[in-house]
This record gives sequence, C-alpha cells and structure tokens, in this order.
Amino acid sequence: DAGVTQSPTHLIKTRGQQVTLRCSPISGHKSVSWYQQVLGQGPQFIFQYYEKEERGRGNFPDRFSARQFPNYSSELNVNALLLGDSALYLCASSLAGPYEQYFGPGTRLTVT
Amino acid sequence: GQQVMQIPQYQHVQEGEDFTTYCNSSTTLSNIQWYKQRPGGHPVFLIQLVKSGEVKKQKRLTFQFGEAKKNSSLHITATQTTDVGTYFCAGHGNQGGKLIFGQGTELSVKP
Repeated sequence: DAGVTQSPTHLIKTRGQQVTLRCSPISGHKSVSWYQQVLGQGPQFIFQYYEKEERGRGNFPDRFSARQFPNYSSELNVNALLLGDSALYLCASSLAGPYEQYFGPGTRLTVT
Repeated sequence: GQQVMQIPQYQHVQEGEDFTTYCNSSTTLSNIQWYKQRPGGHPVFLIQLVKSGEVKKQKRLTFQFGEAKKNSSLHITATQTTDVGTYFCAGHGNQGGKLIFGQGTELSVKP
C-alpha cells in the first residue's frame, strides 16, 4: 500500500507570494493533519481535518488555511509568505483524530 | 496553552550504553505517542500509550506513561548505531484533535 504522499518535494518562493501544498493520505484514512517543522524543533500542529471538517487548529495566523476534499486529500495554503515561514511542512494521516499519525516525506519550503 | 517539554535535548552515547529521554506535559494527556525521525527523514510512529501507568516494550525499547498521565519516558537498552535519530514524544489533550510534540531528544551513538 502507498504511504502518505506530498507535493511538491521542494519549493522556493519570494516574500509576499502565496503557496499551496498538497497531501494524499493512506487509503482508508479519513483524518489529515498538517505540521510545520523548523530545523531543530519538533513538528508544530497547524490543522487537523476529519471527514472534511476542521477538528483542530494550532496557533498560526490566518494566513494559513487548509481544506480536505471528498477523497480525503488535503491542501494547505499560506498567503503573504514571510521569511519565517521557511520550514518543512509535514502532512500526516490517521484513521481518526487521536490515533497514530503516518507522516509523509514533507515539503521543504524556502522563502527568500 | 498545552505544552510538552522533553529532556535532554541532545544525548551522545557509546554503542552499548543505555539511553533515556523524558517527556513532561503541562496538562493531563489522553494519550502519549512516540516518534523517531532519522536525519533528513520524517517522523515515524513507534508506539502509543493510553492508560495511566502503562508500560510497553518493543525489543530494546521500553515506554512508560506516568500515573498522572502528564509524563512519559523512553528507555533504550544497549544502544546500536541504528538507534541514531531524534526521538519525539507527542500528546493529545482531552479535546483530541491537536497533537502537541515535544522538542525532541537527538541521540547520537558512537561505535
């Protein structure tokens, strides 16, 4: 079975631009969560979606938004990029909220 | 808000030595999960503990969940070079949804 997939793998953007990151969960998983990981730190929770509804939101500004589609794939959007948004963005899927998370390889975002 | 603290931040051991990392939450957790992230990789799920005082073992790894469900530990017996990586604990609060990660303990093993 395929694991969690994310696209793109790497991305370079300029300050002020907008970016969309994509995630496909493991087949049968209905929950998708997004995390931001800065080098040397643990993943920081951004959003969790279950059955297309937002079930949790971390302490991130409104520039960050996400959605989940009927096929359970998900997109994370970040507007008005700042240098501090440079990080590894991880998507994780699970059967439901409080179960083990299966992480994708991440999207490395660099903002210049 | 809920915080999860992990110590130590770094641990350097000689191959064959034991290793322990500790995790403490500011609030009671509904569960605690442990993940391992190899350099350049993504977090990989190791185990989940749910019950107060629960102890689980996976070969050389022993995981404990505190009686108050606010702390946890991971102990590795006789480390090997394959154990190298960063170990994260992560917990769900009582509302579920938000999974809060600790800062991680980076383990290096000298052969």
